[in-house]
Amino acid sequence: EVQLVESGGGLVEPGGSLRLSCAASGFTFRNAWMTWVRQAPGKGLEWVGRIATKTDGGTADCAAPVKGRFTISRDDSKNTLFLQMNSLKTEDTAVYYCTTGNSGNWGQGALVTVSS
Amino acid sequence: DIQMTQSPSSLSASVGDRVTITCRASQGIRNDLGWYQQKPGKAPKRLIYAASSLQSGVPSRFSGSGSGTEFTLTISSLQPEDFATYYCQQHNTYPFTFGGGTKVEIK
Repeated sequence: EVQLVESGGGLVEPGGSLRLSCAASGFTFRNAWMTWVRQAPGKGLEWVGRIATKTDGGTADCAAPVKGRFTISRDDSKNTLFLQMNSLKTEDTAVYYCTTGNSGNWGQGALVTVSS
Repeated sequence: DIQMTQSPSSLSASVGDRVTITCRASQGIRNDLGWYQQKPGKAPKRLIYAASSLQSGVPSRFSGSGSGTEFTLTISSLQPEDFATYYCQQHNTYPFTFGGGTKVEIK
């Protein structure tokens, strides 16, 4: 059974940084493209970005609102996906989900609150 | 960016009703589309991939159709557990945009 477990969420002040982790199990992580999706309170879903497998180049692409501030990376030896979030803004407040590939499987989400 | 327009944004229906939700893409996306169901406080769950393929374990009352720019999600006979918010998402061109959602409520 595929399992995705996010961690690292919390309260951070504007301008601060936070790193989310997503521990994966139940599938061959190194062979999976992985995606981050977020959802602001009471709002719809927003695609954050995706990272390719190492075999496919390992490159990551992020949506315009977070480009240059957020970085997606992976550690295939630990079956873990990361989202490094810098220069956080209040509008980054959301539940962040990690998903497999084209979002076939989802974690339970991690809440990030950016507030002073 | 490709805009995904869902309609309606909300609907009221009764158990047993046939429900259809539409998603329109601002440009052609072949069949690179998924449908998701989300219940309050829970993570979304994929129902349909590649526009018309049923995700394993999803009841057969859910079906998807369409290609190019027009897509539909149909629930053939609405069940109590189907009251939720539904989203479409294109995964043809970055960024992989979502529709605004359709909230299905009890009439």
